[in-house]
Amino acid sequence: DAKTTQPTSMDCAEGRAANLPCNHSTISGNEYVYWYRQIHSQGPQYIIHGLKNNETNEMASLIITEDRKSSTLILPHATLRDTAVYYCIVRVSNSGYALNFGKGTSLLVTP
Amino acid sequence: DAGVIQSPRHEVTEMGQEVTLRCKPISGHDYLFWYRQTMMRGLELLIYFNNNVPIDDSGMPEDRFSAKMPNASFSTLKIQPSEPRDSAVYFCASSLAGGPLDEQFFGPGTRLTVL
Repeated sequence: DAKTTQPTSMDCAEGRAANLPCNHSTISGNEYVYWYRQIHSQGPQYIIHGLKNNETNEMASLIITEDRKSSTLILPHATLRDTAVYYCIVRVSNSGYALNFGKGTSLLVTP
Repeated sequence: DAGVIQSPRHEVTEMGQEVTLRCKPISGHDYLFWYRQTMMRGLELLIYFNNNVPIDDSGMPEDRFSAKMPNASFSTLKIQPSEPRDSAVYFCASSLAGGPLDEQFFGPGTRLTVL
């Protein structure tokens, strides 16, 4: 699986958009970008994933650059409950593959 | 569905004792994963099963660790004998092959402390 690079931590004011970047310059053509998050003391939770087109769901938006070497997860209106560690993971879309979690980005949403 | 169920939620034991962690995946899911999380190493895969068959156990740290999945609704992770360095949070996750989101669903974890 391609390696990802994320900032260690970020802050965001409540109600503002949180933009979490991820670099994956060695991504292969058949690898997807996945985002999971882990709220303190809970198991990781799936957020969104995409191949090359931008994706949006009820939780977030995923913007992938045209060369697919980087992406940004956008939480449009961050709330205090969005404080968590966010993991960007690159892998083939197949349930038979485990998730290779890196260090992730610790997002703190402040009042 | 109640989601992935793990038990116990917390386990405190003494070094040398046997520890058994349990997991009930979401009904109908055919993949089951065991992960371990520590401050030093983060989240790492230990083993995963497909249709009750172990597929990749390369993450199992040593022979003291063993995992079984006797049926589609139950899996165990056993540590015998346990050591203080095994202290961690152990997560079980399940997924459905071909599912629309290709999403892994995680349980709440078992926090293991070995004294």
